[in-house]
Amino acid sequence: DVKVTQSSRYLVKRTGEKVFLECVQDMDHENMFWYRQDPGLGLRLIYFSYDVKMKEKGDIPEGYSVSREKKERFSLILESASTNQTSMYLCASNKGLATQETQYFGPGTRLLVL
Amino acid sequence: EDQVTQSPEALRLQEGESSSLNCSYTVSGLRGLFWYRQDPGKGPEFLFTLYSAGEEKEKERLKATLTKKESFLHITAPKPEDSATYLCAARGYSSASKIIFGSGTRLSIRP
Repeated sequence: DVKVTQSSRYLVKRTGEKVFLECVQDMDHENMFWYRQDPGLGLRLIYFSYDVKMKEKGDIPEGYSVSREKKERFSLILESASTNQTSMYLCASNKGLATQETQYFGPGTRLLVL
Repeated sequence: EDQVTQSPEALRLQEGESSSLNCSYTVSGLRGLFWYRQDPGKGPEFLFTLYSAGEEKEKERLKATLTKKESFLHITAPKPEDSATYLCAARGYSSASKIIFGSGTRLSIRP
């Protein structure tokens, strides 16, 4: 059964803090993604990774970085959290580009930056 | 520019009242059209993938169809538990690994 887990369901952080969001998938998927979801804006891609230690910028990478040291784990880092980064963060994964395209999502992390 | 537009933004139906949700897409060379269901405070849950015009897929009370410009999610005799936001997404040949999401349709079914 497909499973993507995220380390926290809810987080409250202060402006300027460094924030780590962790995502783990157990499906041996090559690709992993980080999105943020805001009302009226839909899902927007922050970063994705198609292999260990590989990363690509999405549509809104500013203020974020990522790390993929192992195939099953993809971390999103907010170097210095700001209030405009308050959002729902969603991790997803899928198989290689040539095969199945469907992305499977984690439960999400709702982040509040004060 | 690749784009996915969903309508309506919100839809309220009576239990048993069938209807359709629309997803219009503009992508160069469709490689996949996806439908997801999202409950409040949760991640999207995969429903269907469609690859070519004329294709249809069904799951319980839901049926997804695809044309060259649009996809429809038909819901037949809905129940209150079908209440959720339904997201449409598309991937084209030019968008590399990116999947473009629509803003979703918020569906509410009254008992």
